[in-house]
Amino acid sequence: QKEVEQNSGPLSVPEGAIASLNCTYSDRGSQSFFWYRQYSGKSPELIMFIYSNGDKEDGRFTAQLNKASQYVSLLIRDSQPSDSATYLCAPSSFGNEKLTFGTGTRLTIIP
Amino acid sequence: GAVVSQHPSRVICKSGTSVKIECRSLDFQATTMFWYRQFPKQSLMLMATSNEGSKATYEQGVEKDKFLINHASLTLSTLTVTSAHPEDSSFYICSALYTPQNTEAFFGQGTRLTVV
Repeated sequence: QKEVEQNSGPLSVPEGAIASLNCTYSDRGSQSFFWYRQYSGKSPELIMFIYSNGDKEDGRFTAQLNKASQYVSLLIRDSQPSDSATYLCAPSSFGNEKLTFGTGTRLTIIP
Repeated sequence: GAVVSQHPSRVICKSGTSVKIECRSLDFQATTMFWYRQFPKQSLMLMATSNEGSKATYEQGVEKDKFLINHASLTLSTLTVTSAHPEDSSFYICSALYTPQNTEAFFGQGTRLTVV
């Protein structure tokens, strides 16, 4: 079983709709969870991080965490063409900030 | 957010030569930096954890004698690919833990290495 699993996509979403990205992880010791956006040929850019169960909202982005189910998701509301990128999920453990990345989900927003 | 600068952004070298990549935290001190490698259409794979003033910790399967890491100051870590071969061609990315919280990692721009 992979440590971090994401649907590789591609995921196509119409402009203005909600994009839903999912991630499951195997390490129950993971305490913090990061979502990165990576454009082709560029390095990852931090979008959101979440530590507690529940939802965390930041602008058009909402991260959802369920530690019991070992599941974290990212919702993007009012999707824009500029949101087209690969989204990487990365759990980490406090005291060991080594990030383990999922394979990423390629998101395409269709104008 | 905090700024991490990586240099060079792109390098082409001949097979058998060595290449040094620098990673600098510009506006904060980073006791811990990470080096990743990313092949096309694949995710980032952690190569090693670089700690200021001590030896780097390498991930399983990464040759420490081939990928030399030096973290001599709180703002600079370097990765040297020694005796490079075409299969070392990849996108190398560093990240630095943002202190004092030590909870977020910021990435450099990445270095595209091509070995010919």
